[in-house]
Amino acid sequence: AQSVTQLGSHVSVSEGALVLLRCNYSSSVPPYLFWYVQYPNQGLQLLLKYTSAATLVKGINGFEAEFKKSETSFHLTKPSAHMSDAAEYFCAVSLNTGTASKLTFGTGTRLQVTL
Amino acid sequence: NAGVTQTPKFRVLKTGQSMTLLCAQDMNHEYMYWYRQDPGMGLRLIHYSVGEGTTAKGEVPDGYNVSRLKKQNFLLGLESAAPSQTSVYFCASSSWTRAYEQYFGPGTRLTVT
Repeated sequence: AQSVTQLGSHVSVSEGALVLLRCNYSSSVPPYLFWYVQYPNQGLQLLLKYTSAATLVKGINGFEAEFKKSETSFHLTKPSAHMSDAAEYFCAVSLNTGTASKLTFGTGTRLQVTL
Repeated sequence: NAGVTQTPKFRVLKTGQSMTLLCAQDMNHEYMYWYRQDPGMGLRLIHYSVGEGTTAKGEVPDGYNVSRLKKQNFLLGLESAAPSQTSVYFCASSSWTRAYEQYFGPGTRLTVT
């Protein structure tokens, strides 16, 4: 079975500061890893994904994440936060067996961006 | 191209009532999923479908039933609603070639009193 742990349910950063959202995974086989973003009163939108290609993955809106097998981590970063980044972020893991991909989500991290 | 749509957006039910949530996708995706989102618990998979006429249980299936009579639609039913089913429900879909890339609908907020 696979699982993800997101450290910190709330993170607050100043506009222009570095964003770092932490995600650690547990999986018995090489996983596929994802970050989703949820803006208020909306569904989830895929931010970026790792599917065993390059370990540094770039996504939309300037976000990126690095897969570190030795640390079982997939932390999300952005060099400079913008007010529009305020949202809830979910890390997810999947074992893609070629059939329906059942995502296991973390509990989410709410990002607040202050002036 | 509307993507994934869900109806209704909001609903209030009394304990014991029944209802059906409708999910529709126009991307010709083979796979469809129903999740529930509760505070501090992330999203949990209720049921999913790998194709028309097929359904399977997810992590938290009790109290729910689903049907996929048409490829583009996935229905979630609550036969006898309970307060524990108060939640936000999300539908998602994905293609068989990129099964891991799921597209989500805007959600249905359900309150059971």
